[in-house]
Amino acid sequence: DQQVKQNSPSLSVQEGRISILNCDYTNSMFDYFLWYKKYPAEGPTFLISISSIKDKNEDGRFTVFLNKSAKHLSLHIVPSQPRDSAVYFCAASADAGNMLTFGGGTRLMVKP
Amino acid sequence: DSGVTQTPKHLITATGQRVTLRCSPRSGDLSVYWYQQSLDQGLQFLIQYYNGEERAKGNILERFSAQQFPDLHSELNLSSLELGDSALYFCASSVVQGSGGFDTQYFGPGTRLTVL
Repeated sequence: DQQVKQNSPSLSVQEGRISILNCDYTNSMFDYFLWYKKYPAEGPTFLISISSIKDKNEDGRFTVFLNKSAKHLSLHIVPSQPRDSAVYFCAASADAGNMLTFGGGTRLMVKP
Repeated sequence: DSGVTQTPKHLITATGQRVTLRCSPRSGDLSVYWYQQSLDQGLQFLIQYYNGEERAKGNILERFSAQQFPDLHSELNLSSLELGDSALYFCASSVVQGSGGFDTQYFGPGTRLTVL
């Protein structure tokens, strides 16, 4: 039973355009959500997080939106740059300082 | 660089053997998490230690065990290895502030284990 799902295994975007990565979850106990970026042969790198009491969090080019009623979150990258090409994982936690449940990842390719 | 270190980077061994993976958390972090990333399972939580004590357990096999030492580094021991144990093993660390704060987990570069 996958509690966190990323239904798009890959996404291709032109440089300068918006990248939108989506994530759905089923466990209503999740109250913290994070996005990680992963390059080959490296560990996941933390990007941005959001608490369930918010519906939006912004950090530079990265914005995460949370729709609790739909159990859906998305990561927007504007403008997309070639160096953003990586695998992006969404993750969720039911408690601060607790285990993370990861989605399967979306490979983003930003073309110059 | 997340500040979390893992050794070794690569490990090749045979079925039935036992290996130990090591993780040093970021300075000041009290909690260590172990995750396994295999081709067909994605990133899965194995176990968490907080200040030397086991705090949470995930889908960790009985053949696997972990501990956290007084200097806060952690070791993951994998025994009676099988071909299916081949995977990337990541360690993460966080401060663990308790209620009212969110503890971002920072990941190390991982150990790639190949069981032949």
